[in-house]
Amino acid sequence: QLQLQESGPGLVKPSETLSLTCTVSGGSISSSSYYWGWIRQPPGKGLEWIGSIYYSGSTYYNPSLKSRVTISVDTSKNQFSLKLSSVTAADTAVYYCARRPTTVTILFDYWGQGTLVTVSS
Amino acid sequence: DIQMTQSPSSLSASVGDRVTITCQASQDISNYLNWYQQKPGKAPKLLIYDASNLETGVPSRFSGSGSGTDFTFTISSLQPEDIATYYCQQYDNLPRVTFGPGTKVDIK
Repeated sequence: QLQLQESGPGLVKPSETLSLTCTVSGGSISSSSYYWGWIRQPPGKGLEWIGSIYYSGSTYYNPSLKSRVTISVDTSKNQFSLKLSSVTAADTAVYYCARRPTTVTILFDYWGQGTLVTVSS
Repeated sequence: DIQMTQSPSSLSASVGDRVTITCQASQDISNYLNWYQQKPGKAPKLLIYDASNLETGVPSRFSGSGSGTDFTFTISSLQPEDIATYYCQQYDNLPRVTFGPGTKVDIK
């Protein structure tokens, strides 16, 4: 059974860089059949796609966050990571990692449980 | 950018009722539209993809329809376990992904 687990600091100071890792178990992140993505959800609000990565390192980012986002992959550890720079209180959210099949249809079929990141001094 | 709207933003219905949620795109998105269910404190769960295809394992009381700019999500007979927020999600070939603002469904 595929599982995704987010990990990282729950508290980040304003202007610093948020860093999260998603560990994939029960499947290989190097499969040619999937992309891997990050989605976030501010408390009490809706979902926002951050970006996706392929095992080869190809990335796609939300244009509204592109200047601050870096997503990377470590196939040796079966992990992919998110870095969001220059954070503000508006970046406080539950951050989810998710799997996206490489079909024409862009959907997210497996999700991590999510991790809350609070931006505060 | 494509904007997504959902209506209503919330609704209350009785067990057994038929529930309908609409999602509208600001421009033609063909059938590039998925629906998710999110229960409190949980990650979203995919229910419908490409506007009308039921994800494997999802109960048949859930259905979707539509194309172009107007889409509908229906629960044919609301069950207590269906209490959740429902989101539509569109995509394009750039690729970009946008979620709708959500519809919260409660039991009356």
